[in-house]
Amino acid sequence: DQQVKQNSPSLSVQEGRISILNCDYTNSMFDYFLWYKKYPAEGPTFLISISSIKDKNEDGRFTVFLNKSAKHLSLHIVPSQPGDSAVYFCAAFDSGGGADGLTFGKGTHLIIQP
Amino acid sequence: SQTIHQWPATLVQPVGSPLSLECTVEGTSNPNLYWYRQAAGRGLQLLFYSVGIGQISSEVPQNLSASRPQDRQFILSSKKLLLSDSGFYLCARGIGTHEQFFGPGTRLTVL
Repeated sequence: DQQVKQNSPSLSVQEGRISILNCDYTNSMFDYFLWYKKYPAEGPTFLISISSIKDKNEDGRFTVFLNKSAKHLSLHIVPSQPGDSAVYFCAAFDSGGGADGLTFGKGTHLIIQP
Repeated sequence: SQTIHQWPATLVQPVGSPLSLECTVEGTSNPNLYWYRQAAGRGLQLLFYSVGIGQISSEVPQNLSASRPQDRQFILSSKKLLLSDSGFYLCARGIGTHEQFFGPGTRLTVL
């Protein structure tokens, strides 16, 4: 059973427009959420995170929104740039789970079109 | 520095052969270390994590094992590879309370 779901395998957005990547989770014990960006044949790099006590966190062009009641979070990128083309992974963490690792979604391949 | 080295970068192995992937990290001592696998069409799956030398926790039953012989060394092994072991293997270290920093990965193809 997948606890973190990214239902869109791919997303195509025009350069300059807003990219919205969605993520849903089922485990109510998750209290910290992260977004990672991954290029082919490289390790994921951390992008932005949000604690469950917040509903929004912004860092430059990237904003993450969290809706706890819906168990849904989204990553907004505006304006989208060609270098944003990559696979984006949503990840969740249960602080009460000891040193357990992150639980990842399957990823969404974002393609920014010129 | 939070550099993570993974060796080798790519590997092609026949079914039934043994495996040893190495991860070494720089930076603060006694880091939490993790092995993840990304299989084709799937997300990153946590395989093992370690909170210290000789301490290994396994997340899923599988054909693989891990060891941590030194503080900054984490090794992923198998005695006999299966086709399903193909994938992109990532080593990561914990940073702070939640974030994890990933290495460059090893692409394993089992034929």
